[in-house]
Amino acid sequence: GQQVMQIPQYQHVQEGEDFTTYCNSSTTLSNIQWYKQRPGGHPVFLIQLVKSGEVKKQKRLTFQFGEAKKNSSLHITATQTTDVGTYFCAGDLGETSGSRLTFGEGTQLTVNP
Amino acid sequence: KAGVTQTPRYLIKTRGQQVTLSCSPISGHRSVSWYQQTPGQGLQFLFEYFSETQRNKGNFPGRFSGRQFSNSRSEMNVSTLELGDSALYLCASSLIGDYGYTFGSGTRLTVV
Repeated sequence: GQQVMQIPQYQHVQEGEDFTTYCNSSTTLSNIQWYKQRPGGHPVFLIQLVKSGEVKKQKRLTFQFGEAKKNSSLHITATQTTDVGTYFCAGDLGETSGSRLTFGEGTQLTVNP
Repeated sequence: KAGVTQTPRYLIKTRGQQVTLSCSPISGHRSVSWYQQTPGQGLQFLFEYFSETQRNKGNFPGRFSGRQFSNSRSEMNVSTLELGDSALYLCASSLIGDYGYTFGSGTRLTVV
């Protein structure tokens, strides 16, 4: 079945350093979504990418969707302690109506002040 | 506006019992999805409902079932509980299911 791989599993950075997490799908995706989950919390939707080669920015966060729509990345510039949490990508094949997201394993980010 | 509400927040059940979890989506959202989150398996898709119809189903045994009511509220049921069913069960809603989901705080189920 469809697999979505995410690396790295853990990332420790000093506050102010940059951070990147990568997501790869075994199959072409209809869209990819990114979520953030704080410790003890629930996933919170960040963004959805739909178009091949799409790049979207949210303040210090930059999201990219690959040309083949099989990979994606999230880059955070100048991390802050508020960025702590686990970042998940979630891909949708779009084979059926509605939604069926396959989540990556997540990248757990810790930021040392 | 109110977010996605899941009840109860915590549950402890014994092997072999059954359990029903409830989810109230954001007002106006018609797509409701359920996910199981465990440390070992991560977030896994259970099913998605839209207008009282199951549109998508994940790879879980038939012991896991769900339904959606006319007001979009949803329930999921797990029968004959096993120890491995211990997990955080998350409900998420979306307007029609073609855009990002808003997750509830989850129900943490412990099977002993």
